[in-house]
Amino acid sequence: EAQVTQNPRYLITVTGKKLTVTCSQNMNHEYMSWYRQDPGLGLRQIYYSMNVEVTDKGDVPEGYKVSRKEKRNFPLILESPSPNQTSLYFCASSLTSGRAYEQYFGPGTRLTVT
Amino acid sequence: LAKTTQPISMDSYEGQEVNITCSHNNIATNDYITWYQQFPSQGPRFIIQGYKTKVTNEVASLFIPADRKSSTLSLPRVSLSDTAVYYCLVGPGTKAAGNKLTFGGGTRVLVKP
Repeated sequence: EAQVTQNPRYLITVTGKKLTVTCSQNMNHEYMSWYRQDPGLGLRQIYYSMNVEVTDKGDVPEGYKVSRKEKRNFPLILESPSPNQTSLYFCASSLTSGRAYEQYFGPGTRLTVT
Repeated sequence: LAKTTQPISMDSYEGQEVNITCSHNNIATNDYITWYQQFPSQGPRFIIQGYKTKVTNEVASLFIPADRKSSTLSLPRVSLSDTAVYYCLVGPGTKAAGNKLTFGGGTRVLVKP
């Protein structure tokens, strides 16, 4: 089954404790992206990657890091989480040609930073 | 990317047709109109995309007038399970700049029994 998986689905952590949210897709998509969703602010893009070893900032990259060492994986790293990073996070993937507009989203990771 | 404006919310009843109109006055020549659906606590899901006139698939229809300054997503005979937020996005079609999707506020559709 074609899908995007994220882990963990729920995470409660404390300020300053480094964490990683994993994202993996099995569709051989070149493009992967991270979004965060907050009430009243909608979905905002954090980082994206057009292919392996190619990443770039989205609209709200501060406080986040990403890496793309393999085509299928795109982890999101919070080196020193703060309470303002409490949010619902979504990973997405798509092709970079053809139906590039059709992005597939993961189930989301609800992060709480206390 | 062209800015979009859509109603904040809409109520409907089971079996009715729901039409959501999105305004995009500054749409560019190479922009496409794309709609996503999001259920609570789930990621958005692609519904339909079009450039002009009418596009129909198994889920919805998309009507785009000749001037392309607006578009209407039509959901035929909705059921309770169609309760969701619907997002209208406008941007380059097959090769988006960085494949970036810019989500606006969306329209919250509530289907009542």
